[in-house]
Parts: sequence; structure tokens; C-alpha cells
Amino acid sequence: GEDVEQSLFLSVREGDSSVINCTYTDSSSTYLYWYKQEPGAGLQLLTYIFSNMDMKQDQRLTVLLNKKDKHLSLRIADTQTGDSAIYFCAEATLFSGGYNKLIFGAGTRLAVHP
Amino acid sequence: NAGVTQTPKFRVLKTGQSMTLLCAQDMNHEYMYWYRQDPGMGLRLIHYSVGEGTTAKGEVPDGYNVSRLKKQNFLLGLESAAPSQTSVYFCASNPARDRGGYNSPLHFGNGTRLTVT
Repeated sequence: GEDVEQSLFLSVREGDSSVINCTYTDSSSTYLYWYKQEPGAGLQLLTYIFSNMDMKQDQRLTVLLNKKDKHLSLRIADTQTGDSAIYFCAEATLFSGGYNKLIFGAGTRLAVHP
Repeated sequence: NAGVTQTPKFRVLKTGQSMTLLCAQDMNHEYMYWYRQDPGMGLRLIHYSVGEGTTAKGEVPDGYNVSRLKKQNFLLGLESAAPSQTSVYFCASNPARDRGGYNSPLHFGNGTRLTVT
């Protein structure tokens, strides 16, 4: 079956790099996403990577994809207190029936301390 | 440009009561979705719609009904609320797939926190 797994908590010091990891099971995934959720808010798309890519960089964010191991990671450079939030990994399976079937992980709560 | 707007933001219901959650998007998106978010479980798809007048079941549709009478609105109804429906509900939308069959990322509303006592 389809499943996405993430560790639930990560604590880092301000200024350090954060690495949030995710594993997925569906080898037919097309896109893999990282969403950020701040308290009381909806999910904000941070970045995404197409399944035929290995890496994508966007300012402080680096996404690495290892298709063989079905492992996705999000690295945040120079982590700031404003990065404290819950980060969700999600995979989009092959287009089916006309909608974007997204499978979400349970989310990783990132805490940034001084 | 408001994006995806959900109303209400908060609601408390008693078991057996009914209510409707409204989602409105101003991006002319074809597809709309309702998810629920529960601690430690990520988001689970309740129902979705691929166009005006069409709806379909997602992973956890029981106890909910939906309607998409207008393209910009997607309503989620609870006919007889149960404590198990205490959750945060998110609406999302995205454009129709492109010619390559790929979908754009979802745009989410800020959620409706529902408590059923």
C-alpha cells in the first residue's frame, strides 16, 4: 500500500542546518512535495521535486531525492526561529481518475532554539 | 487575490447536530478537495471534485457529504456530527491537469477547527 513516513520531532539551534527526512513506498510517484504548516494556518507549499530529479535547490532549501531507497529529504540552511513549524512530506501518485492523489506523512515538528 | 477561503474558522457542535463548511476559491481552479487533519496522522482525503457538478469519495468519506454547485465553491456537510469527527478540516484546490497529465501543487485554505462534544 501507499505510505509516507516521517520522524515526528526535530530540534535544532538557530543558525544550524536542519534536515528533515521522509520515506515513501509508491514507486510510481510523480511529484514529491514539502509543505510547511505554522500554528493556526493551512499548509503552505515550500517546494516540490519531480520524480526524475535527484536534487532541487531554492535559496535556503535543498531537496534531495533517492529513488532507489524511496527517500526524500529537506535541508534548511541557516535555520531561523521563523522556520519553526510542522513540515509535511507528500507524494503524488500517478494521475488517476482526474485528481491529484496526495499521500501525506504525519508531519515533522521543527523547533528552533537560540 | 484571496486564494482559498474557509468559513467558519472554528465551530463547536453537539453530537447529532448538523453543519456545513464552506470553501471558496478565486483562482478559477477546476479541482477542489476536502481533507481532515488529525494528530499524528497527516492529512486524509474526505471527498474531492474535478469540476462543477461532480464529486467523488476520497479515503474517509463516511459521515460527510459534499456539493459543488458552483465552480468556485465546495461545501462539506455533516448531517449528524459525531465526536470522531472532531478534527481540523482543510480545503484545497488546484488547476486541471495539463496535457502531460501532471497536476499542479495544491493550494490550501487556513482550516476549520471543529469540535464535537
